[in-house]
Amino acid sequence: SAVISQKPSRDICQRGTSLTIQCQVDSQVTMMFWYRQQPGQSLTLIATANQGSEATYESGFVIDKFPISRPNLTFSTLTVSNMSPEDSSIYLCSAQGQAYEQYFGPGTRLTVT
Amino acid sequence: DQQVKQNSPSLSVQEGRISILNCDYTNSMFDYFLWYKKYPAEGPTFLISISSIKDKNEDGRFTVFLNKSAKHLSLHIVPSQPGDSAVYFCAASEGGGSNYKLTFGKGTLLTVNP
Repeated sequence: SAVISQKPSRDICQRGTSLTIQCQVDSQVTMMFWYRQQPGQSLTLIATANQGSEATYESGFVIDKFPISRPNLTFSTLTVSNMSPEDSSIYLCSAQGQAYEQYFGPGTRLTVT
Repeated sequence: DQQVKQNSPSLSVQEGRISILNCDYTNSMFDYFLWYKKYPAEGPTFLISISSIKDKNEDGRFTVFLNKSAKHLSLHIVPSQPGDSAVYFCAASEGGGSNYKLTFGKGTLLTVNP
């Protein structure tokens, strides 16, 4: 299984600012993903981070709001742009395992005031 | 429109007894299912999965049962231990798992009492 770390673990940000979350995997992986878990809700896939090309976004999520980078096979970033209180969530990255399971990082708890 | 439903927000069992966590789904295209466990302030941890070509998969104390006709799956933990206390998420995907998109339920908080 892959070991995944995320930075920061938590942050409190002001409305209108942006935050970049980093995700590091301890081995090379083909597929990395970004999820959001709003309070009391399930995990929702934001996008698939593709190495060497643009991320693939799910319905309801757009690149201008959630730009993603994937410069190599072990690292990805997610930026939450022009934040509003509705963006307060836990953001998680994951990596595809050898079968079809995904392994998750510890998450970044974001509070927007 | 929630395609994966975990109708019990919480479950409490005694140590040593069986824990049964349930999950229902509405999308008939789902054919690969996973269970995750999540402790506070940690990311979800993969537990066990099952493909729709099977109706049971076992790994140690954890067994997942799939009833395709009822669109229902369950996770059995036997015997339950206090360390099993966590939130359990059911997830589903299409394409035998090769479609990487996971759709999650809202989770069930399991408390195992010593």
